[in-house]
Amino acid sequence: DSGVTQTPKHLITATGQRVTLRCSPRSGDLSVYWYQQSLDQGLQFLIQYYNGEERAKGNILERFSAQQFPDLHSELNLSSLELGDSALYFCASSVESDNSPLHFGNGTRLTVT
Amino acid sequence: QQPVQSPQAVILREGEDAVINCSSSKALYSVHWYRQKHGEAPVFLMILLKGGEQKGHDKISASFNEKKQQSSLYLTASQLSYSGTYFCGTESVQSVGRSQGNLIFGKGTKLSVKP
Repeated sequence: DSGVTQTPKHLITATGQRVTLRCSPRSGDLSVYWYQQSLDQGLQFLIQYYNGEERAKGNILERFSAQQFPDLHSELNLSSLELGDSALYFCASSVESDNSPLHFGNGTRLTVT
Repeated sequence: QQPVQSPQAVILREGEDAVINCSSSKALYSVHWYRQKHGEAPVFLMILLKGGEQKGHDKISASFNEKKQQSSLYLTASQLSYSGTYFCGTESVQSVGRSQGNLIFGKGTKLSVKP
């Protein structure tokens, strides 16, 4: 158990809809990362937050947004969903903003129909 | 810039050795290695900071050549439990010598260990 909690585990929704994925980092970790992993694909970096502030941005679509709250939990919002957004979304946390091991949650499996 | 991993896949017999390589076109601040088993989350193996250090973890070790912007993961006397997909992740140097922070992963190397 990594200590990172992601909810929900599974999400099935229709195209055009909006969903919110939630992540609670390990106790003491200040940094949260979001990654997208499509079937048999690698881990695509979306965005990183550190202590409530955006730290780095990857290839995150404009339809996607995220934030980290004062209690350090994070949410990833996906809107106007398309079939291609179906993927496993991982959240990871680390103590520092860089050079720290990442601890991954078990992921949220999103299926867009 | 996504690091390049090689090989894409490797099949071993128990007890054999393997090397997985990771290279980047950008100056690197650090290199991470993770293993992901099918249906599970990636798990941290080790992190190497710039300075050319080498680290070990049981029979798994890694090296980081800062000048060549390359890292290699060495698995010796492989066990069935080593099977999975190995990802290297790289943090690039920012302009003031700090890490950019965003950890970018390669496409992974699928390792299968057979009895």
